[in-house]
Amino acid sequence: RKEVEQDPGPFNVPEGATVAFNCTYSNSASQSFFWYRQDCRKEPKLLMSVYSSGNEDGRFTAQLNRASQYISLLIRDSKLSDSATYLCVVNMDTGRRALTFGSGTRLQVQP
Amino acid sequence: EADIYQTPRYLVIGTGKKITLECSQTMGHDKMYWYQQDPGMELHLIHYSYGVNSTEKGDLSSESTVSRIRTEHFPLTLESARPSHTSQYLCASSEYNLLNEQFFGPGTRLTVL
Repeated sequence: RKEVEQDPGPFNVPEGATVAFNCTYSNSASQSFFWYRQDCRKEPKLLMSVYSSGNEDGRFTAQLNRASQYISLLIRDSKLSDSATYLCVVNMDTGRRALTFGSGTRLQVQP
Repeated sequence: EADIYQTPRYLVIGTGKKITLECSQTMGHDKMYWYQQDPGMELHLIHYSYGVNSTEKGDLSSESTVSRIRTEHFPLTLESARPSHTSQYLCASSEYNLLNEQFFGPGTRLTVL
């Protein structure tokens, strides 16, 4: 079983749609959580951190459920520019090791 | 925008050559990382460093080596490149804190013929 699991997709949605991605992680002692966005053949870029209380940044809402060990990302009013791969990322250690990346969920927003 | 740089951005080289991929950051971050990523595949950690003179191997076995003589600089070296080394190499850095939020460089796309 992978330490961070995501549905690989692709998710093909029309412009304006709402789309949700889920991610599960294996280590209950994980410290911090993130969503990164990666465009084709580019580097990952931090989209948002995920806090226990949930957080929102414009059209993007992230939720964390520690009891069930899953993280979600909701994108409202999808834009063509949202097309990318979304990486669920977990910090499983207390600062010494690197982050653990999921394999990503690909989103394709269609006109 | 994060201030982390990688050179070269693209490199095509023959088998057996020695190569060094450069990575520099101007944010004063203690922690730096190298990842390897094939097209459409997930990132694999190959090396990381907590600070000057500290280096560790990552999850993915790699024939490369790294050094950390200065905080801002974390080069990766392949002594003898092979076609199996063809991949994208991504450098990242973060502050030494619990959050561990990482910032990535633009990557080096390496092709070994």
